[in-house]
Amino acid sequence: RKEVEQDPGPFNVPEGATVAFNCTYSNSASQSFFWYRQDCRKEPKLLMSVYSSGNEDGRFTAQLNRASQYISLLIRDSKLSDSATYLCVVKDGNQFYFGTGTSLTVIP
Amino acid sequence: EAQVTQNPRYLITVTGKKLTVTCSQNMNHEYMSWYRQDPGLGLRQIYYSMNVEVTDKGDVPEGYKVSRKEKRNFPLILESPSPNQTSLYFCASSLGAGKGYTEAFFGQGTRLTVV
Repeated sequence: RKEVEQDPGPFNVPEGATVAFNCTYSNSASQSFFWYRQDCRKEPKLLMSVYSSGNEDGRFTAQLNRASQYISLLIRDSKLSDSATYLCVVKDGNQFYFGTGTSLTVIP
Repeated sequence: EAQVTQNPRYLITVTGKKLTVTCSQNMNHEYMSWYRQDPGLGLRQIYYSMNVEVTDKGDVPEGYKVSRKEKRNFPLILESPSPNQTSLYFCASSLGAGKGYTEAFFGQGTRLTVV
């Protein structure tokens, strides 16, 4: 069983739409959670950390459900520039575990 | 500027010719790791290091070596590259465990082609 699982998509949405990505993780003792964004052939970059109480950064909202071992990312009012692959990342101790990524294309 | 620097960015080589991909970070991070990324498989960890002279295998270590003689550098060595090692490689660094909610920082990637 993979440590981190996410729907690979692709998600094709019109500009202005709201889109949600979900991710599940297998280790209930996992300590830290992140969403990374990766543009084509470039390095992953931190989009936002995911805290137990949920957190928001502009149009992006991340939520963590420890009981269900589930992480989500909500993007409101999608922009063309949001087109990328979104990686769910879980940290256990020193180790990072990556989902395979969810591809998002925002269409004009 | 805080960064992780990999070199080279692009490399085409022939089967069996030893090569080294360098990785350096200027953030005084204890933890460094190497990943390869292949279509449909996501990021897979090759090796990691929790501090100087401490290295360990990740999920796909076969055909690779690493060393950590200094805190800032973590080179990846392919002693005898083969075509199945053609991939996009990323180096990453992070503060160690117990240091709070600390993210991984990635280098810009090395696209390796072995012919």
